[in-house]
Amino acid sequence: AQSVTQLDSQVPVFEEAPVELRCNYSSSVSVYLFWYVQYPNQGLQLLLKYLSGSTLVESINGFEAEFNKSQTSFHLRKPSVHISDTAEYFCAVSPYGGSQGNLIFGKGTKLSVKP
Amino acid sequence: DAGVIQSPRHEVTEMGQEVTLRCKPISGHDYLFWYRQTMMRGLELLIYFNNNVPIDDSGMPEDRFSAKMPNASFSTLKIQPSEPRDSAVYFCASSFPRRAYNEQFFGPGTRLTVL
Repeated sequence: AQSVTQLDSQVPVFEEAPVELRCNYSSSVSVYLFWYVQYPNQGLQLLLKYLSGSTLVESINGFEAEFNKSQTSFHLRKPSVHISDTAEYFCAVSPYGGSQGNLIFGKGTKLSVKP
Repeated sequence: DAGVIQSPRHEVTEMGQEVTLRCKPISGHDYLFWYRQTMMRGLELLIYFNNNVPIDDSGMPEDRFSAKMPNASFSTLKIQPSEPRDSAVYFCASSFPRRAYNEQFFGPGTRLTVL
C-alpha cells in the first residue's frame, strides 16, 4: 500500500520569495509521482509529474520538483512566487504498472502569497 | 476535448431530499473517480469505476450514497436522503492509465449545500 504525507497544511509567503512545499511518500513498490494544483473554486489540475529519467521535473509556470528515492520525497519548489500562485497543492503517487488507475493523494498544502 | 463535465455546478437542497450529481468523463477514458472535498476532511476518494464496473467503493460514507455508471460516457452519484453533513464539493475525474500514466483529469466540481 502507498501513503503520502504533506508536512505543511498552510504555507504563507510574500510575493517574489522562494517557496518549498514538502511531500514524502511510503510505498513497497516503485511509484509515479505527481503534483496537482487547485486554484480557488476550481477542480484539480496536473502541475507536473515524474515518471522516469531525470529526477528534476519542471512545470510551464516555473515550479520544479525533485524526486529523491533515498528520502522518498518529491518536494515542490519555486524560486520566486507570484500572487497568482495562491492555491492548494496536492502531492500524489501511483504504483508502477498499476492498471487500476488509482492515485493516492496527500492532504494538500495551501499556499498563500501575500503582496 | 471538452474535459470532464459535471452538473449541476451548484446544488442547494433541504435535508431529507434526494440529490443526484452527474458526470461525463473524457471520451476514451476507462477509469472514473468520484471524490468529496471538505475543509475538515480534505479530498476523499468515494468510489471508482473501470470500464463501467465499480472497483472500490470503500470510501462511500454510508448506504445513503450510491453511484452508477450505466455506460462509458455517464455516471451518477446519488445521496438519499441527504443530510447537512453531506455539504461539500464533489469532484468527478477520469483517466486512461495505459496512455497517461494514471494522470487524472478533474471536472470543475459540484458544490452541494444541504440545509
